[in-house]
Amino acid sequence: RKEVEQDPGPFNVPEGATVAFNCTYSNSASQSFFWYRQDCRKEPKLLMSVYSSGNEDGRFTAQLNRASQYISLLIRDSKLSDSATYLCVVRPSGSARQLTFGSGTQLTVLP
Amino acid sequence: SQTIHQWPATLVQPVGSPLSLECTVEGTSNPNLYWYRQAAGRGLQLLFYSVGIGQISSEVPQNLSASRPQDRQFILSSKKLLLSDSGFYLCASRSRLGSYNEQFFGPGTRLTVL
Repeated sequence: RKEVEQDPGPFNVPEGATVAFNCTYSNSASQSFFWYRQDCRKEPKLLMSVYSSGNEDGRFTAQLNRASQYISLLIRDSKLSDSATYLCVVRPSGSARQLTFGSGTQLTVLP
Repeated sequence: SQTIHQWPATLVQPVGSPLSLECTVEGTSNPNLYWYRQAAGRGLQLLFYSVGIGQISSEVPQNLSASRPQDRQFILSSKKLLLSDSGFYLCASRSRLGSYNEQFFGPGTRLTVL
């Protein structure tokens, strides 16, 4: 089983749609959670951290369910510029060495 | 925030040739440094990480090596490239303090081995 699993997509949605991505992680001791965004042929960049109580940043909402080891990202009112690959990222507890990246979910927002 | 510099941006090398990719970091001191590889259409694979000068941990057996001669310099090398070494190589830096500190990535080097 992969440490971080995501639906690879692709998700093709019209502008203005709401889209949700899901992610599961295997290490129950994981400590920190993130969503990164990667544009085509570019480096990943932090989109938002995911906190236990859930958090929102504009059109983006992230939620964490520790009991189910599940993370989600909701994008409302999709824009063309939201087209990218979204990476679910988990930091194991006590690990100084690395973040564990999911393979990513590809989103294309269509005009 | 941190700035990561990588060069070259693109590289085409024949099989069996040597490799040296360099990464330098600005805006932080004593960071954890990482080398990742991303094959076409695939996720990020951690190759090496370093918690300090001269300290290198390898995540996967391979014909690559890494070195950290200075606090903010991280080098990825190979003596003889294989076809399977082709990919997008990303250097990353992360401050040690805090659980939610951001990991910053460099712009990457796109390597094609022919």
